[in-house]
Amino acid sequence: ETGVTQTPRHLVMGMTNKKSLKCEQHLGHNAMYWYKQSAKKPLELMFVYSLEERVENNSVPSRFSPECPNSSHLFLHLHTLQPEDSALYLCASSHTGQGSYEQYFGPGTRLTVT
Amino acid sequence: KQEVTQIPAALSVPEGENLVLNCSFTDSAIYNLQWFRQDPGKGLTSLLLIQSSQREQTSGRLNASLDKSSGRSTLYIAASQPGDSATYLCAVLSNSGYALNFGKGTSLLVTP
Repeated sequence: ETGVTQTPRHLVMGMTNKKSLKCEQHLGHNAMYWYKQSAKKPLELMFVYSLEERVENNSVPSRFSPECPNSSHLFLHLHTLQPEDSALYLCASSHTGQGSYEQYFGPGTRLTVT
Repeated sequence: KQEVTQIPAALSVPEGENLVLNCSFTDSAIYNLQWFRQDPGKGLTSLLLIQSSQREQTSGRLNASLDKSSGRSTLYIAASQPGDSATYLCAVLSNSGYALNFGKGTSLLVTP
């Protein structure tokens, strides 16, 4: 088990639902990330928070809304999603946002949008 | 934009073989390069991290090399075992941003 946990591990939601993904890191890091992994595509960055400030938003649609209340917790609020948003959503953390710091990943949330 | 390519996309070998996975990247201005392992439906496990100033890193049966000037890295797995079966991902952290840029991975199957 890694020092990064994610809940829920699996989520099925309708297109009109609102749900949230949660990530928690126990490694003392101060940067946290959301990545999306779709079938047949490389992992792609969605958001980066460094010292609780959003420092990167990789052209993500507004139906995805991140929240970082403190350096240990990261949320991804979901609203009015599309079936093509079905994917594995991975959270990661590291020491500060840049530099030669290793990123540690959680187990992911498998999201299915019906 | 950094592009990361992994070859081969899939590989099947008998147990006990030594094997090499390849990774190439287009922009040599990187902070580091990480190799990850991903089991089906699971998250990523970091295997090795090579800083931009380093040439290689070793952990057990794994050895990763980095040639930044040519934009290449290799992951060498010695004496492969069925438990090594997984997808192996290469990712580079560029100087220009926070994000790791990933390749599509190499799917490895080691048969008993």
